[in-house]
Amino acid sequence: AQSVTQLDSQVPVFEEAPVELRCNYSSSVSVYLFWYVQYPNQGLQLLLKYLSGSTLVKGINGFEAEFNKSQTSFHLRKPSVHISDTAEYFCAVRGTYKDYKLSFGAGTTVTVRA
Amino acid sequence: DTAVSQTPKYLVTQMGNDKSIKCEQNLGHDTMYWYKQDSKKFLKIMFSYNNKELIINETVPNRFSPKSPDKAHLNLHINSLELGDSAVYFCASSESSYEQYFGPGTRLTVT
Repeated sequence: AQSVTQLDSQVPVFEEAPVELRCNYSSSVSVYLFWYVQYPNQGLQLLLKYLSGSTLVKGINGFEAEFNKSQTSFHLRKPSVHISDTAEYFCAVRGTYKDYKLSFGAGTTVTVRA
Repeated sequence: DTAVSQTPKYLVTQMGNDKSIKCEQNLGHDTMYWYKQDSKKFLKIMFSYNNKELIINETVPNRFSPKSPDKAHLNLHINSLELGDSAVYFCASSESSYEQYFGPGTRLTVT
């Protein structure tokens, strides 16, 4: 089984500042990793995913994440945030071989202020 | 076109009632899921169907029963609703075990 720890429950940030959301995972098998975003009163939208290949993954809306196998981390970054990035962000993990179960972290609330 | 849709979006009901939430996906995926998001926004998988076969059945009360009439639909029926069932329920779909696409959610309030 896999598990995810999101190290920051809330991240306040000023507009146009950079942001980093930290995610660590635990697994005894190889994993696929995902970041989802949930805007207020909406469903979850896939931001980016790591399946294989380059450890630096680029996603939508200017977000990117880096997979670090030795540190079992998958941190999400954006160099300059907008007010519209205010949302809940979830890191998720699953095993690579026919694993349908996606395990989510507890989420990080990002609040962008002007 | 909405990829994963759920009805209703809001559901307010009294304790003891029976209710259903419907989910449909038009992505051609073969796997569908139900998740529960509690008041602290924690997401937990409840059920999953692959080609109409139940493949994930987490520890949930047996008052909850999923039904998949075909690959594009997955409904959730809840009997004898309790206050603790109040949450947002999300449907999702995927092609095999690849990335999951989520619906807009159904906010269930039990009074």
